Amino acid sequence: DAKTTQPTSMDCAEGRAANLPCNHSTISGNEYVYWYRQIHSQGPQYIIHGLKNNETNEMASLIITEDRKSSTLILPHATLRDTAVYYCIVRVAKYGGSQGNLIFGKGTKLSVKP
Amino acid sequence: ETGVTQSPTHLIKTRGQQVTLRCSSQSGHNTVSWYQQALGQGPQFIFQYYREEENGRGNFPPRFSGLQFPNYSSELNVNALELDDSALYLCASSLTVANTGELFFGEGSRLTVL
Repeated sequence: DAKTTQPTSMDCAEGRAANLPCNHSTISGNEYVYWYRQIHSQGPQYIIHGLKNNETNEMASLIITEDRKSSTLILPHATLRDTAVYYCIVRVAKYGGSQGNLIFGKGTKLSVKP
Repeated sequence: ETGVTQSPTHLIKTRGQQVTLRCSSQSGHNTVSWYQQALGQGPQFIFQYYREEENGRGNFPPRFSGLQFPNYSSELNVNALELDDSALYLCASSLTVANTGELFFGEGSRLTVL
């Protein structure tokens, strides 16, 4: 699976949009971009994933560049509860077999401030 | 709440001892994977179980072993504990037929080896 590069930390004001970038320049054509987050002392939580089209769900939006070499996770109105480490992961979405193998980096520590 | 439960939540062992950690997967999920998360690091994949057999393994020695039971619950066993085994151990469940590859994580078991 391809590797990703994320900033170590970011700050965001409460109520503003948080834009978290991720570089994945070696991504393959069949690899998806996944985002998870981990709030302190909890297990990681799935946020969103996409292949090449932009995606939106109740938690966030995912913008993937046309060349797929980078993406941005957008939390439209960040709250204090969004303070967490955000992980960008690229991997093949598999049927059966070893789906479990997510390769986590160190992620981006997002601090939402009042 | 992901529906994935782990026990115990915290435990302390001494070097050389053995430990068993337990995980109940989300209802209907037949695949369980285990991760080790050292302080300040992202989770690292240990192995995955599907239909009671290991079908994927990360870079961990054989003293890390596991089981999956017919009800899809799982155990992680670590023999001959070392100080570096101190970490948060995370269990995640998933549906192999799901094309999202989304993993549902538990809250983890925090192991301290003295």
